[in-house]
Amino acid sequence: DAGVIQSPRHEVTEMGQEVTLRCKPISGHDYLFWYRQTMMRGLELLIYFNNNVPIDDSGMPEDRFSAKMPNASFSTLKIQPSEPRDSAVYFCASSYWVGRGVVMNTEAFFGQGTRLTVV
Amino acid sequence: DQQVKQNSPSLSVQEGRISILNCDYTNSMFDYFLWYKKYPAEGPTFLISISSIKDKNEDGRFTVFLNKSAKHLSLHIVPSQPGDSAVYFCAASASGSGNTGKLIFGQGTTLQVKP
Repeated sequence: DAGVIQSPRHEVTEMGQEVTLRCKPISGHDYLFWYRQTMMRGLELLIYFNNNVPIDDSGMPEDRFSAKMPNASFSTLKIQPSEPRDSAVYFCASSYWVGRGVVMNTEAFFGQGTRLTVV
Repeated sequence: DQQVKQNSPSLSVQEGRISILNCDYTNSMFDYFLWYKKYPAEGPTFLISISSIKDKNEDGRFTVFLNKSAKHLSLHIVPSQPGDSAVYFCAASASGSGNTGKLIFGQGTTLQVKP
C-alpha cells in the first residue's frame, strides 16, 4: 500500500485566497483525521471522520475551515479565505477499528503533510 | 486546554547514553498511549504504545513506562543513536463511546543525539 497520500506537498497562496488540501487514506481504513502542526500546540486535531461521517470538528479553529469526505478514499480540508496565521503543516492520518479490548483502533498512519504558507 | 503535555521542548544526549522523554496528561479517561517519531519533511510514524492495563512496554531499545496515578508516561531510549534524532510526540486516546480512535497529541520534544 502506498500509505496516506496528501497533495499538494507545498502550497503558497496570498491572503484571502481559497486553499484546498487533499488526502487519500489507506484503503480499508475507516477513520480519517486532519491535524495541524504548530510550534505552540504541536499536533492539533482539527476534525476526524468515521466511515466518511464527521464525528468531531471541535478542533476546527474558525468557520473559514471546512472539511469533507465524499467517499472512503478521499477527503478535503478547505480554508476560505486564508490568512497568514493559517501557515502551518497540515497532516492527514487514517486508522481502522479493531475493537480488541482497550485497544479499539490501530495506531494512526500519517501522510507526509502539506506545508501551507499564506503571504 | 492542552490535555497532553510535553514540557520539555528539546533534549540533547550523547550517543550510547539513555534518552528519557516525558509526557503528562490531564484526562483520566485516557486509556491508550502512543509515541510517534517525526523526521523533518516527513509525517509522524508510530513508535511504541501502551494500554492502561500495563505499566511498561518494551520494544528493542525503546521502553514506555506508564504511571496512571501520576498521569505520566515516559519513553526511554537506550542506547541512544544519532539516527534517533527527531521530534517525538506523545499521544493519548480514550476508548469510551464517541471517542474511539481520537488521538490527542502533545507539543513534541526535539531529541538530539550527539555522536
